[in-house]
Amino acid sequence: DTEVTQTPKHLVMGMTNKKSLKCEQHMGHRAMYWYKQKAKKPPELMFVYSYEKLSINESVPSRFSPECPNSSLLNLHLHALQPEDSALYLCASSQDASNQPQHFGDGTRLSIL
Amino acid sequence: EDQVTQSPEALRLQEGESSSLNCSYTVSGLRGLFWYRQDPGKGPEFLFTLYSAGEEKEKERLKATLTKKESFLHITAPKPEDSATYLCAGGTGAGGGNKLTFGTGTQLKVEL
Repeated sequence: DTEVTQTPKHLVMGMTNKKSLKCEQHMGHRAMYWYKQKAKKPPELMFVYSYEKLSINESVPSRFSPECPNSSLLNLHLHALQPEDSALYLCASSQDASNQPQHFGDGTRLSIL
Repeated sequence: EDQVTQSPEALRLQEGESSSLNCSYTVSGLRGLFWYRQDPGKGPEFLFTLYSAGEEKEKERLKATLTKKESFLHITAPKPEDSATYLCAGGTGAGGGNKLTFGTGTQLKVEL
């Protein structure tokens, strides 16, 4: 069991739907991350939050909207996604946003119809 | 451009047959080299961080080493439960966020 919890585990949505992915950690970490991982590929960084502020956006399309309501929670709001956005979305956290190791959740498997 | 290359892409070992996985990196401003294990359908599980050339870390049958250009993950007397994809990543964390550049991984299968 990981200490980073992601919900839901699986999500199927149409291209016109709006949905949200949720991530929670209770390790007192102050940096949180969203990654996208396609099959047989390594994770690709999307966003970094440091002390609840967005610090890195890797030129992600605006149909992905991150939110960090508090130091334990991270959301990813999805709207008008494309079929190529189908992937495993991983959340991670680290003690801070320096060179500390990141701890990953088990992800949300997203399928866009 | 930062780059991390892992070899081999896939490796089949017999139980007890030791081997090494390679991770070559060119990451500007490297602040840490990270090793992860990923099982199918799961997120990466953190194994080791190496911060400076010459550093070594061990955990059970795994030992990670670091030079100025590459890192090795040595697996001694592997068991079937060591089967997984092993990822290495270079980190450039400097306050704004620890950006990890991942290699494409080595898929390890250990057979009885």
